[in-house]
Amino acid sequence: DIQMTQSPASLSASLEEIVTITCQPSQDIGNYLSWYQQKPGKSPQLLIHSATSLADGVPSRFSGSRSGTQYSLKINRLQVEDTGIYYCLQGYSAPWTFGGGTKLELK
Amino acid sequence: EVQLVESGGGLVKPGASLKLSCVASGFTFSDYWMSWVRQTPGKTMEWIGDIKYDGSYTNYAPSLKNRFTISRDNAKSTLYLQMSNVRSEDTATYYCTSGEYPGIRGNWFAYWGQGTLVTVSS
Repeated sequence: DIQMTQSPASLSASLEEIVTITCQPSQDIGNYLSWYQQKPGKSPQLLIHSATSLADGVPSRFSGSRSGTQYSLKINRLQVEDTGIYYCLQGYSAPWTFGGGTKLELK
Repeated sequence: EVQLVESGGGLVKPGASLKLSCVASGFTFSDYWMSWVRQTPGKTMEWIGDIKYDGSYTNYAPSLKNRFTISRDNAKSTLYLQMSNVRSEDTATYYCTSGEYPGIRGNWFAYWGQGTLVTVSS
């Protein structure tokens, strides 16, 4: 199985701050990487797919990138409604595997 | 609007069996690959497995394939997860998910249900 190392596990940031979350797969996954946001008490929602493609209806302050074998989710100008848990997922090789999650809180 | 509604969760004893359902609406269910994903109380996410749009192929996480079975009834737009010999570590919220495009095995999960909680305890 491909292991997804996600960091940080938790993060506290201020309003309007730029936030970055990273995922490192244990082997090459091409661009088969997606990001999800889970707000408290809700199901996860797709933010980014194919490493860099913004899902429909997702605010443009969210972006995904890839640098070598590391993948990043960036949130520009953090808003109150962005708090929650963020997950990455590799869809390159079954079994699909998730990162451990990043809990994002407002400072 | 795509809707996925899971049901069938609850409190079950270790060793018992349980069948979860997911009713889909708002899209042509029979055209889409579907998956089950679970989330433990500690918030760890785990893909359980998926099923091809016509039900002819299934794939499972290796650790679960001997106890879990995914099936579908396209006439009823319903996805199922049969769980057998459940253990305490199966305690989780179970989500059904779908890909974004018809006919293609999704590499990401575009739509999620609200989840159904399964608690395994004596």
